[in-house]
Amino acid sequence: GENVEQHPSTLSVQEGDSAVIKCTYSDSASNYFPWYKQELGKGPQLIIDIRSNVGEKKDQRIAVTLNKTAKHFSLHITETQPEDSAVYFCAASSGGSYIPTFGRGTSLIVHP
Amino acid sequence: GAVVSQHPSWVICKSGTSVKIECRSLDFQATTMFWYRQFPKQSLMLMATSNEGSKATYEQGVEKDKFLINHASLTLSTLTVTSAHPEDSSFYICSAERTGGIDTQYFGPGTRLTVL
Repeated sequence: GENVEQHPSTLSVQEGDSAVIKCTYSDSASNYFPWYKQELGKGPQLIIDIRSNVGEKKDQRIAVTLNKTAKHFSLHITETQPEDSAVYFCAASSGGSYIPTFGRGTSLIVHP
Repeated sequence: GAVVSQHPSWVICKSGTSVKIECRSLDFQATTMFWYRQFPKQSLMLMATSNEGSKATYEQGVEKDKFLINHASLTLSTLTVTSAHPEDSSFYICSAERTGGIDTQYFGPGTRLTVL
């Protein structure tokens, strides 16, 4: 089955800095890669996703890159703000019935 | 769009009782819904996949007689924790895949279960 590794487990940055979270996956058939943000005591919220036919996708301060050859994808957050502090999960799945495999999560702390 | 609700948001029950958690897709139809369990500071663990009108598919190690799942309509799935014990205390989260959608899952806000 699919195995998703996520690093780092904790990331601490100053407000205004950039943050990068990296994930690798094992199944070359995976073609959908969402990123979720989970605030304390809440459910995960989809913030951005990318499919295997695209190398990069951007939405305001958030961007995701995908390298299919190397089987890794990354989340980039620019100009971080304290409200970006949360746990971020990457996931990977293959098409059809969508059952993603999640990474272990990254706790992002943005210091004001 | 794509809002998923859960009820209750938190529940405290006595050991041996049963607890039902509802998951609703508010503005879309969901042929498939998923139930996850999450322990503190850990990732989401898929418990089961439920398809409207059919039996749920449970992940290995999840007791189907203990965690009863019903997906009676395209907008509602329920998880019943039967004969709850303290070790069942956890954060339970559902998600829904939009019918005819493109594989995206939308998560509910979660239900905190505490079994005394």
